[in-house]
Amino acid sequence: DAKTTQPPSMDCAEGRAANLPCNHSTISGNEYVYWYRQIHSQGPQYIIHGLKNNETNEMASLIITEDRKSSTLILPHATLRDTAVYYCIVADSNYQLIWGAGTKLIIKP
Amino acid sequence: GAVVSQHPSRVICKSGTSVKIECRSLDFQATTMFWYRQFPKKSLMLMATSNEGSKATYEQGVEKDKFLINHASLTLSTLTVTSAHPEDSSFYICSAGVTGPKETQYFGPGTRLLVL
Repeated sequence: DAKTTQPPSMDCAEGRAANLPCNHSTISGNEYVYWYRQIHSQGPQYIIHGLKNNETNEMASLIITEDRKSSTLILPHATLRDTAVYYCIVADSNYQLIWGAGTKLIIKP
Repeated sequence: GAVVSQHPSRVICKSGTSVKIECRSLDFQATTMFWYRQFPKKSLMLMATSNEGSKATYEQGVEKDKFLINHASLTLSTLTVTSAHPEDSSFYICSAGVTGPKETQYFGPGTRLLVL
């Protein structure tokens, strides 16, 4: 079973920041938090991942709470092309990703 | 960087035939590749973990004799769906693991299989 809980869907206005929450209250010390997204009928796309510290790359920022029981993916300026299903996954270094249902993010003009 | 390709992108076959799907890491070496299956409007389900030079590890409920996996090199893994049936119709996706400080998986574009 997936170790994460995400809202099934969210809307966000184009140009605004999209904040996607994820709960992972049973995360263990050696597990990373990964975020992927899947645009319809395509393979998943890696976005970002982190262990303890907040992370930022060209696509997004990842904010992990101090107790590591939850995190937020931030898309700073959402565009229509960011409409996708976003998956939050916790996994250890063995790479096995157990996928939950994800959050369907709809960016509205 | 970290590009993964799959071939074919879609295939239609008759029931009872076998279909081979290739997964290649184009610009990196992947010691571990993963095969997933995704049904419409569902999340990805891990089928098996493929390690170069050794036998694949299959998830519970996945028939290893039906879904043959060969990871012959650090850049190629193949999934063969043997004696395909209509219920095998699905979206098959592979991913490749990149080792190092930024461990992550990169995914192929997927292969849509339709068994008639």
